[in-house]
Amino acid sequence: QKEVEQNSGPLSVPEGAIASLNCTYSDRGSQSFFWYRQYSGKSPELIMFIYSNGDKEDGRFTAQLNKASQYVSLLIRDSQPSDSATYLCAVTFSGSARQLTFGSGTQLTVLP
Amino acid sequence: KAGVTQTPRYLIKTRGQQVTLSCSPISGHRSVSWYQQTPGQGLQFLFEYFSETQRNKGNFPGRFSGRQFSNSRSEMNVSTLELGDSALYLCASSQGPYNEQFFGPGTRLTVL
Repeated sequence: QKEVEQNSGPLSVPEGAIASLNCTYSDRGSQSFFWYRQYSGKSPELIMFIYSNGDKEDGRFTAQLNKASQYVSLLIRDSQPSDSATYLCAVTFSGSARQLTFGSGTQLTVLP
Repeated sequence: KAGVTQTPRYLIKTRGQQVTLSCSPISGHRSVSWYQQTPGQGLQFLFEYFSETQRNKGNFPGRFSGRQFSNSRSEMNVSTLELGDSALYLCASSQGPYNEQFFGPGTRLTVL
């Protein structure tokens, strides 16, 4: 069974802090990794994707991938109350590269 | 560029009926994927279409079907509705089957 695991939270951080969201996956051959943000009552919004080991930065967001440990994370610097949402990790597994397998999501609350 | 559009946004049906949902991808995107989101099961892959052909299918019963037209627009159909089919149905489009996927606003289906 190919799985994506996330800590469901809730995770609370104060405004201005760094929020760290983690995701592990079961298939060592996985190639593509995505982070989506979903506000309550809305659809998922793509915020980051990463394909290679290491860090990828985009504004206040950094995605980190470690394929050997089968681990991908998302760091949000200078967290804002508007970052409060559910963050979904998605992975494409080897042999199923055309479909996204999602984790259950981590609910993040940024406290003013 | 306009985003992914889905119609209708809300639907209420009764058990045993059938329903058709529509998705128009981002202009230039040729791959369309469908997902079901429920509180209990999270986001689950239904199927993916590229060049009018179903390329990949998730673990859903045959009551769930779809198609794609030459202009890349897609429809999904659910026949003989069950109470458990109540969910948010999300369409995602990408330039190609291995590119990043962008979600539409979803269709919220309620089965009574």
